[in-house]
Amino acid sequence: DVQMTQSPSTLSAFVGDRVTIACRASQSISSWLAWYQQKPGKAPKLLIYKASNLESGVPSRFTGSGSGTEFTLTISSLQPDDFATYYCQQYNSYPNTFGQGTKLEIK
Amino acid sequence: EVQLVESGGGLVKPGGSLRLSCAASGFAFSSYIMIWVRQAPGKGLEWVSCIYSNSRYISYAESVKGRFTISRDNAKNSLYLQMNSLRAEDTAVYFCARAGYDNPPDFWGQGTLVTVSS
Repeated sequence: DVQMTQSPSTLSAFVGDRVTIACRASQSISSWLAWYQQKPGKAPKLLIYKASNLESGVPSRFTGSGSGTEFTLTISSLQPDDFATYYCQQYNSYPNTFGQGTKLEIK
Repeated sequence: EVQLVESGGGLVKPGGSLRLSCAASGFAFSSYIMIWVRQAPGKGLEWVSCIYSNSRYISYAESVKGRFTISRDNAKNSLYLQMNSLRAEDTAVYFCARAGYDNPPDFWGQGTLVTVSS
């Protein structure tokens, strides 16, 4: 199975900050990577697919990059609604594994 | 409007069985891969199983292989997860989700809670 490792596990930031979350795959997954946002008690919401493609309706302050084994999600100017937990997921091979999550907290 | 509504969760004793259902509407169900993902209380997301549109391809996580069975009924726009030999570590919210081919899950239900406890 492909192991996905996110860093950091927790991130504290101010509204307006630029933040970056990293995701590393244990083997190459090309660009078959998605990013999700999840708020407490809610289903995950797809933000980015194929590493850098913005899902329809997602604000342009969210940017994904990377390929192979190294990926990042950047939020250019944090808004109050962005404080949530973020997960990466590889869909190159089954099982489609998730990272352990990054909790983004208000500082 | 796309909708996925899970049902069938509840409290079950270790070793017991439960069948989850996911009712789909608002999209061409038979054209999508359907997926189950679970989330233990306070933990991250764990991919459980998927089934292709024609049911010819099915995959399971190692943690559920041999105990869980995924199925679908395209005529009823429904997805199922038969869970047998349940363990305490299967306690989680179970989400169903859809995915287009070569795409990640883009729409999820709100989940149903399964609690395995004596």
